[in-house]
Amino acid sequence: EAEVAQSPRYKITEKSQAVAFWCDPISGHATLYWYRQILGQGPELLVQFQDESVVDDSQLPKDRFSAERLKGVDSTLKIQPAELGDSAMYLCASSADRSYEQYFGPGTRLTVT
Amino acid sequence: AQSVTQLGSHVSVSEGALVLLRCNYSSSVPPYLFWYVQYPNQGLQLLLKYTTGATLVKGINGFEAEFKKSETSFHLTKPSAHMSDAAEYFCAVSDLYNTDKLIFGTGTRLQVFP
Repeated sequence: EAEVAQSPRYKITEKSQAVAFWCDPISGHATLYWYRQILGQGPELLVQFQDESVVDDSQLPKDRFSAERLKGVDSTLKIQPAELGDSAMYLCASSADRSYEQYFGPGTRLTVT
Repeated sequence: AQSVTQLGSHVSVSEGALVLLRCNYSSSVPPYLFWYVQYPNQGLQLLLKYTTGATLVKGINGFEAEFKKSETSFHLTKPSAHMSDAAEYFCAVSDLYNTDKLIFGTGTRLQVFP
């Protein structure tokens, strides 16, 4: 069964360092999402791509976060510089057009010290 | 702005008992509605969804939910809990202007006792 792949699974970084997460969606899924899930809360959408274009990045802290999906397939989310409050699970999901069904990867748990 | 309220951050039931997880939403227009399950250190898995049509929706693992427009609710139920149902459950609604965007509740942790 096809799955969304994410790496790394766990990342520990020091405050003010740069960190990057990678996501490979299910083959053929045009829409890709990055979510942030703070402990004890539900996921919050950071950015949504349709192919290589950004559809929604209204909740992305653009002063330190960036996301790209250059060829419309895999995607990278970057944080620079990391802050203590960025400690969270970062989830990637993908969906086929108009399916209203998002498939989630296992996530990357980030700890900022 | 739309929001989702899940009553009860923790629910405990005995194995074999009824599971009821509550979800209410605020929206001027009936949204699309979803329930997801998350096991420890894993991503989310879709249990069921309501978009249009029949208001009683059946999902995986014996779960079902009913969309009640008059009550703005989408409660999740399962007649008989199993130990393997222990997990975190999230209710979500679609954004009014971007139906691909999901707005999640804060989650309900279900514990199942033998």
